[in-house]
Amino acid sequence: GAGVSQSPSNKVTEKGKDVELRCDPISGHTALYWYRQSLGQGLEFLIYFQGNSAPDKSGLPSDRFSAERTGGSVSTLTIQRTQQEDSAVYLCASSPAGRTANYEQYFGPGTRLTVT
Amino acid sequence: QKEVEQDPGPLSVPEGAIVSLNCTYSNSAFQYFMWYRQYSRKGPELLMYTYSSGNKEDGRFTAQVDKSSKYISLFIRDSQPSDSATYLCAMLRIQGAQKLVFGQGTRLTINP
Repeated sequence: GAGVSQSPSNKVTEKGKDVELRCDPISGHTALYWYRQSLGQGLEFLIYFQGNSAPDKSGLPSDRFSAERTGGSVSTLTIQRTQQEDSAVYLCASSPAGRTANYEQYFGPGTRLTVT
Repeated sequence: QKEVEQDPGPLSVPEGAIVSLNCTYSNSAFQYFMWYRQYSRKGPELLMYTYSSGNKEDGRFTAQVDKSSKYISLFIRDSQPSDSATYLCAMLRIQGAQKLVFGQGTRLTINP
């Protein structure tokens, strides 16, 4: 079946512009995550959606970052007034329901964001 | 101090060698311990997971967790060039935030 898809695959933007990154999770997966991976760094948690519960936003680095998940499926990560330090690969992952813990997360290929 | 520490390498070994990858952690609340493999320009994929302490074997791969030392390992036997990738350890609490906490990743190259 189809995996997690993300768009665009690459995005180059000028400092100060807003960007929107999209994630289509695996159908039926109730949990959705956004992570950020900077060059040579591990993955940094940003935000987590689980079903209809309030999202866990504890990883968002500043109020310029926001995310929404519509209809329990597609998610959009928005970065306002982009800064050069926002340059990274943004990864989305989804996880199926019915698990005690969401240890198995299925990742998309990522969106490579470059802020010039 | 990071919750999870992993030597970023790079690590380069000849084909057929046994590879040992390791992570240490500081949070005793972690109960699930995972190894993800990431090929260049791809998203990570789950390779193995272990719940609590102990060993787990899957083909050429063995994962070990020592909770008393807060130390986890991944061993790759009979390494192949196709094993060349970045290996990320990740950890998860059962209660509280269901977010994976990753190590920095170790870049591994297997030379034919």
